[in-house]
Amino acid sequence: DTAVSQTPKYLVTQMGNDKSIKCEQNLGHDTMYWYKQDSKKFLKIMFSYNNKELIINETVPNRFSPKSPDKAHLNLHINSLELGDSAVYFCASSPGTGGYEQYFGPGTRLTVT
Amino acid sequence: SQKIEQNSEALNIQEGKTATLTCNYTNYSPAYLQWYRQDPGRGPVFLLLIRENEKEKRKERLKVTFDTTLKQSLFHITASQPADSATYLCAPPANQAGTALIFGKGTTLSVSS
Repeated sequence: DTAVSQTPKYLVTQMGNDKSIKCEQNLGHDTMYWYKQDSKKFLKIMFSYNNKELIINETVPNRFSPKSPDKAHLNLHINSLELGDSAVYFCASSPGTGGYEQYFGPGTRLTVT
Repeated sequence: SQKIEQNSEALNIQEGKTATLTCNYTNYSPAYLQWYRQDPGRGPVFLLLIRENEKEKRKERLKVTFDTTLKQSLFHITASQPADSATYLCAPPANQAGTALIFGKGTTLSVSS
């Protein structure tokens, strides 16, 4: 029944490693997002895909690469992890672009040591 | 650049009272504005969306207003309950009617019985 799910929920890894976070939505939505919530609790957009096409790519290091194999999935791969990447990463989806409510996943807490 | 301010970081009220949260934006005129609720360790949950041509929107005990002259949105919870305790986030689009949202830092509401 979960609308937007993410795996894993917690991820602890060392600097320099490569890791992936997976996201799936079963709402039939066309648009998916990745947000980052830092230690100060600010929630910032990173990427957005609409019908598997990248439509938003904020100023994010190119170590971060999103991939959307189909409309229901949006994964985030991070290369060469740095301490500053430690944050909670949220996936979200919406029925379309511009002026729609967004449904968020439970978040993935990434800790880089 | 666009700026979002939620004036109070914390608001403490007694059960049964009305909570009023403020969101101010500067340097642009968003076509809509959304409000979300976030509980600790969870993703934001959509509450209400109000468009620029709507002065007020209601849902059960929640009410949102949108004053495009003052560049301000007010979020009200009437007859507040301890279960309303959470962080409330204001989220207009990153540009006028865009897809990506800019989230305010949030106001943490505590309702005491």
